[in-house]
Amino acid sequence: GQNIDQPTEMTATEGAIVQINCTYQTSGFNGLFWYQQHAGEAPTFLSYNVLDGLEEKGRFSSFLSRSKGYSYLLLKELQMKDSASYLCAVMDSNYQLIWGAGTKLIIKP
Amino acid sequence: ETGVTQTPRHLVMGMTNKKSLKCEQHLGHNAMYWYKQSAKKPLELMFVYSLEERVENNSVPSRFSPECPNSSHLFLHLHTLQPEDSALYLCASSLQVGGTGGNTIYFGEGSWLTVV
Repeated sequence: GQNIDQPTEMTATEGAIVQINCTYQTSGFNGLFWYQQHAGEAPTFLSYNVLDGLEEKGRFSSFLSRSKGYSYLLLKELQMKDSASYLCAVMDSNYQLIWGAGTKLIIKP
Repeated sequence: ETGVTQTPRHLVMGMTNKKSLKCEQHLGHNAMYWYKQSAKKPLELMFVYSLEERVENNSVPSRFSPECPNSSHLFLHLHTLQPEDSALYLCASSLQVGGTGGNTIYFGEGSWLTVV
């Protein structure tokens, strides 16, 4: 079966760095997405990785290793507004999105 | 403003009621989706439409009935729901269905449904 694993919840301190991991087993691979979802709001697109390596976008970076079936989202200089759920999703060989259950990130002052 | 708007944002309905959720996208996309989001579970894809044609129905019970009158509008008609159907229902759109891996999906803010 197809599976996406990510931690259920993480806590970090304002100003610090946090890494949210995502591992996947899917039928084929056509890219990995990260979305951010604030409570009561729409998931919003953060990043897309299809090749191995690190993609940096401001305070957020996303890493992919296809051979390991592994990705992480790195958030630097954490702000209170970064408190949200972070969803990992993989597009399989049929271009279907397989979703993880999301990681709830709590930022403390 | 995400380009995908959903109404109503909150809905409480009895098990014998009939109600509908509405979604409109202003992005010029050709594909639209209904997802169900329950607490601590992955997003569940319910229906996929491409240019008003249903291309996927993921074994969704018939008490959920989608309608796509044009590529900008999508409805989810609800009838004789069960309490376990209470969840956040998210509408989404993308440029096309599948096609390329970079086909980003844009979500609406969702409709919170409570079945009593």
